[in-house]
Amino acid sequence: DIVMTQSPDSLAVSLGERATINCKSSQSVLSSSSKKNYLAWYQQKPGQPPKLLIYWASTRESGVPDRFSGSGSGTDFTLTISRLQAEDVAVYYCQQYYATPPRTFGQGTKVEIK
Amino acid sequence: EVQLVQSGAEVKKPGESLTISCTGSGYSFSSYWISWVRQMPGKGLEWMGRIDPRDSYTNYSPSFEGHVTFSADKSISTAYLQWSSLQASDTAFYYCARHPFRAADDYWGQGTLVTVSS
Repeated sequence: DIVMTQSPDSLAVSLGERATINCKSSQSVLSSSSKKNYLAWYQQKPGQPPKLLIYWASTRESGVPDRFSGSGSGTDFTLTISRLQAEDVAVYYCQQYYATPPRTFGQGTKVEIK
Repeated sequence: EVQLVQSGAEVKKPGESLTISCTGSGYSFSSYWISWVRQMPGKGLEWMGRIDPRDSYTNYSPSFEGHVTFSADKSISTAYLQWSSLQASDTAFYYCARHPFRAADDYWGQGTLVTVSS
């Protein structure tokens, strides 16, 4: 199984400042044929189901604010919230969908306001 | 509007059986896989497995294989997650989500809370 490891486990950022979350996979999730990274980012607010933010490592889902961006390739990925807003308080998960089964999630990163 | 609507919360005793459901609307149900994801209280997301509603082909995570069963009835756009003998450790929220083949889960159900307690 591909193991996904996120860092940090939690972070506190001031409103309007940048939040950066890292995700590392135990093996590459880059397809040599499609040249796509099979990596997604999800946001889960308290009491709600997860919501897809980013797929193919860097493609923003429709309706997701452009302050959210994804980057990286192969085994190392980053989710950046460029200017943190109060409504961004949530737990963020990365997920690989390259090698299935299983599709594996990172352990989650909790983002709070400083 | 795409929606996945899950059945309501359940309270069961250890050893009992249970089936929860996930009904899709606003899209062609057979064109997307349905994944099941567990979230134990205060914990992260765990992928349990998935089912292709076209032919009910399934993939299970090794961690869940043998303990749960997935099924689907494409005629009523509904997927099911079944336990034959619940354990206290099955207490969790269970989410369904849809995805195209080899793509991310783009729509999620609201979740079903299963509580198993004697």
